Amino acid sequence: QPVLTQSSSASASLGSSVKLTCTLSSGHSSYIIAWHQQQPGKAPRYLMKLEDSGSYNKVSGVPDRFSGSSSGADRYLTISNLQFEDEADYYCETWDSNTHVFGTGTKVTVL
Amino acid sequence: QVQLVQSGTEVKKPGASVKVSCKASGYTFTTYTMHWVRQAPGQRLEWLGWINAGNGNTKYSQKFQGRVTFTTDTSASTAYMELSSLRSEDTAVYYCARSPYAQSPIDSWGQGTLVTVSS
Repeated sequence: QPVLTQSSSASASLGSSVKLTCTLSSGHSSYIIAWHQQQPGKAPRYLMKLEDSGSYNKVSGVPDRFSGSSSGADRYLTISNLQFEDEADYYCETWDSNTHVFGTGTKVTVL
Repeated sequence: QVQLVQSGTEVKKPGASVKVSCKASGYTFTTYTMHWVRQAPGQRLEWLGWINAGNGNTKYSQKFQGRVTFTTDTSASTAYMELSSLRSEDTAVYYCARSPYAQSPIDSWGQGTLVTVSS
């Protein structure tokens, strides 16, 4: 089954940009993933679906400063013009015929 | 708008069972798949499995196979997750979450139900 690897934390200044990485395990580099945001004490929120081509579909209501991209087995979430409300854990998700899996999550801190 | 509203906090003793409900509204319940995901304190999201709300087919994570059961009441647009033989490691927030198909991303989440297992 696929495995997703994320760095544990990332930080950036208010108004700057941060790029989060989710890496698919060997043999799964073509998989589609999804990004979810979990603000402190809240349920996760689905942000977008991201394909290996780099094409992404954002949910209505997600700000334009959230974007996705891909390179090989890596899937990225870029947050531009970082705001305090973006401080959260970000999880990637993927799936196959037998399972869904989540990454370990990246905690984003806004300085 | 889509809403998934879950039942309230549960406190159980080791060895007991817990049943969590998830009432859906704002969409046609039977045309989506319902997943169950849990999150232990300070831990990552962990997938328990899914149920096809249209035909009742299920897929369980191997880790929970034999200990978890998903059911639905389509007349009430409600999904249920029952976990048996509870142990302290099952203490977590349990989420229901829907996806259009079994092999598609989760696109909406319930608010979560805290289940505490303690003697």
